[in-house]
Amino acid sequence: DAKTTQPPSMDCAEGRAANLPCNHSTISGNEYVYWYRQIHSQGPQYIIHGLKNNETNEMASLIITEDRKSSTLILPHATLRDTAVYYCIVRGKNTGFQKLVFGTGTRLLVSP
Amino acid sequence: DTAVSQTPKYLVTQMGNDKSIKCEQNLGHDTMYWYKQDSKKFLKIMFSYNNKELIINETVPNRFSPKSPDKAHLNLHINSLELGDSAVYFCASSLGQGAQQPQHFGDGTRLSIL
Repeated sequence: DAKTTQPPSMDCAEGRAANLPCNHSTISGNEYVYWYRQIHSQGPQYIIHGLKNNETNEMASLIITEDRKSSTLILPHATLRDTAVYYCIVRGKNTGFQKLVFGTGTRLLVSP
Repeated sequence: DTAVSQTPKYLVTQMGNDKSIKCEQNLGHDTMYWYKQDSKKFLKIMFSYNNKELIINETVPNRFSPKSPDKAHLNLHINSLELGDSAVYFCASSLGQGAQQPQHFGDGTRLSIL
């Protein structure tokens, strides 16, 4: 019952920017867009979240389109350690705001 | 300085046994969660507690019983373990229940039922 669509896999060269897209065309006005990643054998790691505005932190940037129907997570200089499954999650009142509903994510492979 | 810690990291046991998994967070958060990741890697919420009060119970069998002795701890007790309980169980915590509060996860407990 995930409300997002992501490509199953992407490749990126080390040192280049990784741009991970996500479609969430049914998002409601009070729902946030969250990004998490899961590196092999570890727990999900929070990356960033946003409501309407673009956001940036030490890990990544989140670009949300003006109509909020899609977003892009940008890792500006991908490293080998960024190889992981990346989950785009919509969270708010309609999805049960207390919980994260994970889909299948995008498997990002960063290569030398 | 681990934020969300779970014990044990690995748990191998026989079908029919009863076992517990412990979770502790040192972030001062009010809300804690249990998620289950099955063999196909789907992550799904099981329970959530806010200030020691159960707020989410996602149609989990009665054999699973969470217990929150205080805000910093959320334990998961499983009775009469079945083969299908084999999975990775993740604990998480957040400052509050609101959708704007990120959840922070532990590294999981890998449960294998023989």
